[in-house]
Amino acid sequence: KAGVTQTPRYLIKTRGQQVTLSCSPISGHRSVSWYQQTPGQGLQFLFEYFSETQRNKGNFPGRFSGRQFSNSRSEMNVSTLELGDSALYLCASSLDNSYTDTQYFGPGTRLTVL
Amino acid sequence: ILNVEQSPQSLHVQEGDSTNFTCSFPSSNFYALHWYRWETAKSPEALFVMTLNGDEKKKGRISATLNTKEGYSYLYIKGSQPEDSATYLCAFWGTGSARQLTFGSGTQLTVLP
Repeated sequence: KAGVTQTPRYLIKTRGQQVTLSCSPISGHRSVSWYQQTPGQGLQFLFEYFSETQRNKGNFPGRFSGRQFSNSRSEMNVSTLELGDSALYLCASSLDNSYTDTQYFGPGTRLTVL
Repeated sequence: ILNVEQSPQSLHVQEGDSTNFTCSFPSSNFYALHWYRWETAKSPEALFVMTLNGDEKKKGRISATLNTKEGYSYLYIKGSQPEDSATYLCAFWGTGSARQLTFGSGTQLTVLP
């Protein structure tokens, strides 16, 4: 079974631009969660999607948004990029919910904002 | 903002030593606690999902216990090996208004051969 895939793996953007990251979960998994990892803040939860609906959300500004498609693939969008958005963005999938099911992480997208 | 703390921040042990780390979390509004292992240049790997007070989980030489009443979980590694070198993260799921996943800052373990 293929693992969680994320595209692109690396991305360089400039301040003010927007970016879209993609995550394809393990086949059969319906929950997709997104995380941001920075040296200063560690790993932080962005949001979780299940059946095309956002189920839970972390403490991030509205510039961070996401969506999930009917095939469970998910995209994350960051608008009006700031330098502080430079980070590793990870997505993880789980069977039904991220609370009690094992989460499987993708390799991440490294975003650099100049 | 929920407080999830891990100690120690870093740890160096000799191969063959046994070791343990602590994760402290709010004792109210508990839903689940996750443990992850994160090796450099790899993705986090789930170790355990713990939901019940008194839970004990084991995976090879690694085990974990959970005390939701007092708000802590211990992760134990028996007979550490160099390949156990990684950052070990715990993450707390709360209920109600606390319904978001909050990660601790991790314990960085280095096992010296």
